[in-house]
Amino acid sequence: NAGVTQTPKFRVLKTGQSMTLLCAQDMNHEYMYWYRQDPGMGLRLIHYSVGEGTTAKGEVPDGYNVSRLKKQNFLLGLESAAPSQTSVYFCASSPGGYNEQFFGPGTRLTVL
Amino acid sequence: AQSVTQLGSHVSVSEGALVLLRCNYSSSVPPYLFWYVQYPNQGLQLLLKYTTGATLVKGINGFEAEFKKSETSFHLTKPSAHMSDAAEYFCAVSGGHNFGNEKLTFGTGTRLTIIP
Repeated sequence: NAGVTQTPKFRVLKTGQSMTLLCAQDMNHEYMYWYRQDPGMGLRLIHYSVGEGTTAKGEVPDGYNVSRLKKQNFLLGLESAAPSQTSVYFCASSPGGYNEQFFGPGTRLTVL
Repeated sequence: AQSVTQLGSHVSVSEGALVLLRCNYSSSVPPYLFWYVQYPNQGLQLLLKYTTGATLVKGINGFEAEFKKSETSFHLTKPSAHMSDAAEYFCAVSGGHNFGNEKLTFGTGTRLTIIP
């Protein structure tokens, strides 16, 4: 099993450009999450999904959109990138309940 | 709502010495508590978790943590540090079985350095 994979691993954008980050999991997990990690701030939840076709806002959702059209995929979109969105983005999945979350390797995004 | 405070953003210990990383939480419901480790340029992986039952929890790589409800703490320890323990450690809390348990709130992390 590949677990949780993220595409791409690195990306550089100019201000105002758009992009989509793809997260895929092969563990048949119901729950999926997008976080951003910034120095000294830990991980902050952007959006999450509790099942196919559902999405919900997390702690820092502004400037991002998500979609969960298939159970195994969770997409994070930036419609108009800003330098403040420079960060490392992590996707995670979980079976739910009191089980732990499984994390992908991350995407390092730089917005110039 | 839940919150997590990790005391000490950087901790240095000598190889073979005790590792103690501190975590205090706030939760209005019985919490589930987690410790994750992040090695450089990697994602997070679970070290250990507390949900219910025994308050002393053992995890991977010789780490353990004790849930102390009276102190709202979940400190991470390892008796003897190894060079391979150098990483960043995150404490996290969720709201328990029946309240928002689908979301984790993370602390700001503690970077552990091992001195040879």
